[in-house]
Amino acid sequence: AQRVTQPEKLLSVFKGAPVELKCNYSYSGSPELFWYVQYSRQRLQLLLRHISRESIKGFTADLNKGETSFHLKKPFAQEEDSAMYYCVINKLTFGTGTQLKVEL
Amino acid sequence: GAVVSQHPSWVICKSGTSVKIECRSLDFQATTMFWYRQFPKQSLMLMATSNEGSKATYEQGVEKDKFLINHASLTLSTLTVTSAHPEDSSFYICSARVDMGNQPQHFGDGTRLSIL
Repeated sequence: AQRVTQPEKLLSVFKGAPVELKCNYSYSGSPELFWYVQYSRQRLQLLLRHISRESIKGFTADLNKGETSFHLKKPFAQEEDSAMYYCVINKLTFGTGTQLKVEL
Repeated sequence: GAVVSQHPSWVICKSGTSVKIECRSLDFQATTMFWYRQFPKQSLMLMATSNEGSKATYEQGVEKDKFLINHASLTLSTLTVTSAHPEDSSFYICSARVDMGNQPQHFGDGTRLSIL
C-alpha cells in the first residue's frame, strides 16, 4: 500500500518569508513523487517531480528516502504562490493537500 | 501544452437521473485516463483507471455498475453516474496522460455534480 501524508491543512506566511510544505510517504518500493498545485479557480497542474530535480517558480523538493519525505521549499514566498498544493506518489495517490496563503 | 477538457462543468439534476461526464484530451492522444472524486475540503480520491479499448480498473469500494466508464477513443473517456442520488453529489475530476516515458498527468477543470 502507498500513502501520502501532508500534516498541514493550512500554512500562512508573510511575503518574503521561507516556505516549507511537508510531505511524508509510505511505500515499499522506489517511489515517484510529485507536487501538484491548484491556483484559485484553475485546474490542477504539475509543479515539479523528484526525478527532474528542477526548480519551478523558485520551488524545490528533495526526496529523502531515509526520512521518507518530499518537502516542498521556497526561500522567499510571493503573493502569487498562494494556492493549494498536493503531494502525490506514483501519480495516483494524493495527499490531503496544504493550502498556502502568502500575506502581505 | 496538453489540454484536457471536461464537460459539463456543473450539473444539477433530480435524484434518479443518470449523468454523463465527458473528458477529452484536446491536443494529444491519451492512452490512459483517470477519474477522481473530491469531497469538500478533502483530497482527490482515485475512482478508476480507464485504458483505451479495454475495461476500466476500479479502485476498491467503487461500484462499477454505479459509475460506468467508457474509453472508446484515444481522446475521449466518459463517466456515467447511473441513477444518481444525493450522496453522489461531489466534484469529479479527470486526468489524462500518454503512456510513453515518464509523462505527467494533465487534469481537467472538474465537474460539480449536485443531485437534489
